[in-house]
Amino acid sequence: QKEVEQDPGPLSVPEGAIVSLNCTYSNSAFQYFMWYRQYSRKGPELLMYTYSSGNKEDGRFTAQVDKSSKYISLFIRDSQPSDSATYLCAMSAGFGMRFGAGTRLTVKP
Amino acid sequence: GAVVSQHPSWVICKSGTSVKIECRSLDFQATTMFWYRQFPKQSLMLMATSNEGSKATYEQGVEKDKFLINHASLTLSTLTVTSAHPEDSSFYICSARPGLDSTDTQYFGPGTRLTVL
Repeated sequence: QKEVEQDPGPLSVPEGAIVSLNCTYSNSAFQYFMWYRQYSRKGPELLMYTYSSGNKEDGRFTAQVDKSSKYISLFIRDSQPSDSATYLCAMSAGFGMRFGAGTRLTVKP
Repeated sequence: GAVVSQHPSWVICKSGTSVKIECRSLDFQATTMFWYRQFPKQSLMLMATSNEGSKATYEQGVEKDKFLINHASLTLSTLTVTSAHPEDSSFYICSARPGLDSTDTQYFGPGTRLTVL
């Protein structure tokens, strides 16, 4: 079993839809959770960072962490074509980050 | 803040030559830098972790004599692909972790596309 599981998609939604991206993990020591966005042929950029359980909101993006279920989510409201990218979840216990496989998202106008 | 640059952004070289890629943290000191490679439509594959002033730690299956990593300062790490072959063609991405950051957040460079003919 991989430490971090993420459905690679691809996921295609119409513009304006709410997008839900998810990862599960097996290591209960993880306490830092991140979401990165990677456009084609570019390096990943940090989108959201969350410590421990709870929600964090930043504009149209909301990150949720449920440590009891070992499950994290990223919600994108009012999705735009410019949100089309690969989204990588990442998590850490403070001594090395583990990445999910990345979910390719396409938002169609 | 937390900007990481890479140079060059793309390079084409002949088989058998060596290529050096630089990774710089522009506005913070990075005690640890990471090197990844990424094949098309695949996720990041960690190649090695480098700590300033010490030898890099390579992931299993990564040839340390082929992929030479030097982390000589707190803002610069280099990856040299020695005797490159077409199968080394890939997208190489570095990331850097701020020295005083306990969250383990990594900031990524824009990547270097290597094509070996």
